[in-house]
Amino acid sequence: SQTIHQWPATLVQPVGSPLSLECTVEGTSNPNLYWYRQAAGRGLQLLFYSIGIDQISSEVPQNLSASRPQDRQFILSSKKLLLSDSGFYLCAWSGRTQQFFGPGTRLTVL
Amino acid sequence: QKEVEQNSGPLSVPEGAIASLNCTYSDRVSQSFFWYRQYSGKSPELIMSIYSNGDKEDGRFTAQLNKASQYVSLLIRDSQPSDSATYLCAVISLGTSYDKVIFGPGTSLSVIP
Repeated sequence: SQTIHQWPATLVQPVGSPLSLECTVEGTSNPNLYWYRQAAGRGLQLLFYSIGIDQISSEVPQNLSASRPQDRQFILSSKKLLLSDSGFYLCAWSGRTQQFFGPGTRLTVL
Repeated sequence: QKEVEQNSGPLSVPEGAIASLNCTYSDRVSQSFFWYRQYSGKSPELIMSIYSNGDKEDGRFTAQLNKASQYVSLLIRDSQPSDSATYLCAVISLGTSYDKVIFGPGTSLSVIP
């Protein structure tokens, strides 16, 4: 069965610091991968999606970037965090018709 | 702009009652529909999927789809306090080059013991 991992689980970072969140998927090959952000009490905002290695599209212009160095690895980064980057970051993968989420990373920017 | 709408709630029902959650979507060519449950502080988990008009039952959950009305609902029978969560409606539309899922804002459900 497919498993999706994210780390770290929680993170507290100062404004202006860099960020790196990692997501890996097991049990499937060439998955579509996604990064979402969920602000407190809000819905899911799609940030990036990837249909293959080095094939990444951004949904929302911002100070975040994503990379996919390996088939089952997806990384979300920032060079300088903003207060507004706080939220719950979710990685997801999709098969033919369904999407499954990782456990998420709770990011607090102070 | 393709959209998925839900009442934000909170929806409160007594334990043992039927909870009814509703969702409408704007893209007529949408073909796959999902309900996710999200407990506070946790990631969403898929609880139901439905692809054709009509009802689909799974235990205490029933998903209903009406493509003509662009409407999908989730019924939870014999509601339990453990059902208290936010329920996200999600839709996949035809014509995208990848499996882009559009999520609604979620409905908060509270089951009162």
